[in-house]
Amino acid sequence: QQQVKQSPQSLIVQKGGIPIINCAYENTAFDYFPWYQQFPGKGPALLIAIRPDVSEKKEGRFTISFNKSAKQFSLHIMDSQPGDSATYFCAASANYGGSQGNLIFGKGTKLSVKP
Amino acid sequence: DTGVSQDPRHKITKRGQNVTFRCDPISEHNRLYWYRQTLGQGPEFLTYFQNEAQLEKSRLLSDRFSAERPKGSFSTLEIQRTEQGDSAMYLCASSFIPSDTQYFGPGTRLTVL
Repeated sequence: QQQVKQSPQSLIVQKGGIPIINCAYENTAFDYFPWYQQFPGKGPALLIAIRPDVSEKKEGRFTISFNKSAKQFSLHIMDSQPGDSATYFCAASANYGGSQGNLIFGKGTKLSVKP
Repeated sequence: DTGVSQDPRHKITKRGQNVTFRCDPISEHNRLYWYRQTLGQGPEFLTYFQNEAQLEKSRLLSDRFSAERPKGSFSTLEIQRTEQGDSAMYLCASSFIPSDTQYFGPGTRLTVL
């Protein structure tokens, strides 16, 4: 049973476009939602993360929108650049005993930004 | 470089052989995680340590897999009697409680022939 569903599987946008990647979760115990960026041959790198007490968080060109009632969250990349071409993963985790547990990842979205 | 390091970066082995991977977390990080990532998929949790204690193991971690973190610093992941289905990228991540952020290493790419 996949606990975090991510879509689309792949995405192509033109430079300057705003790609949007969506994720949905099932476990209401999840309370930490990070997005990771991964380049080929590299480990995932944290981009931005959000907790359910806010509906939106911005860091530079990256924005997370969070809808707690729908159990959905999304990543928006403003003014996308060819260097943003990578695979993006949403993830979720729950807090156990005062600290976050392991991350549950979506299947990833391969983003290609055309010049 | 003070990030998470993993060794080796690539490992090719024959079916039935044992392999061992090493992870060095960021200094003073007390949590260390192992994940496995297959092509086209997101990382899947295998196990994690808090200091030297192994606190959780996934059902994915069969009896052929064993992990250790003997002094609460580096960790090793051993796979015995490797199978072709073990071919994957093995990722290590570390974090410092109470921070939520997990920092990933570059991974070890295992190919079982």
